[in-house]
Amino acid sequence: AQSVTQLDSQVPVFEEAPVELRCNYSSSVSVYLFWYVQYPNQGLQLLLKYLSGSTLVESINGFEAEFNKSQTSFHLRKPSVHISDTAEYFCAVSKTGGATNKLIFGTGTLLAVQP
Amino acid sequence: DVKVTQSSRYLVKRTGEKVFLECVQDMDHENMFWYRQDPGLGLRLIYFSYDVKMKEKGDIPEGYSVSREKKERFSLILESASTNQTSMYLCASTEAPGQGLYEQYFGPGTRLTVT
Repeated sequence: AQSVTQLDSQVPVFEEAPVELRCNYSSSVSVYLFWYVQYPNQGLQLLLKYLSGSTLVESINGFEAEFNKSQTSFHLRKPSVHISDTAEYFCAVSKTGGATNKLIFGTGTLLAVQP
Repeated sequence: DVKVTQSSRYLVKRTGEKVFLECVQDMDHENMFWYRQDPGLGLRLIYFSYDVKMKEKGDIPEGYSVSREKKERFSLILESASTNQTSMYLCASTEAPGQGLYEQYFGPGTRLTVT
């Protein structure tokens, strides 16, 4: 079975500062990795994903995440955050070759960007 | 663009009522999912469906049932609502594995309050 750990429930940061949201996973099989973002009063939107190939993946709004197989991590980073990045961020995994693309989610990290 | 819609954004029901939450997707996806989201617990899978009339229990199916009579529609049913079912309910859909789409698309959510 797979599991996902997001140790930080909340990360406060000042505008234009760098940020890292941590995600570690546990799995005995190969996985796909995802970061979703949830803005206030909205559903989840895919931010970025790792399926295969380059271990560094990027989103269109400046976030990036690096798949580290040896450390079983998929941390999310942004070099300079904006107020508009305030949201809850969820890390998720699914088993490669699974029957349903079922996702296992972490408990989420609230990124609170302050002016 | 994939669109997943949910019948209500906010719903208030009384204890013991039968509650129906509806979800419709417009991308001909085989797989559909119902999650509940609670603070500090992330998203937990209630039920999922991998085809019309096919369903499987997720991690927390107790007190819920589902119905999928048509490919585009997946309903979540609370047979007798209880206060501990007050939560945000999120619906998602995705293709069957092997078709190139691995991420799930989410609806905007229904915030259900049971009084």
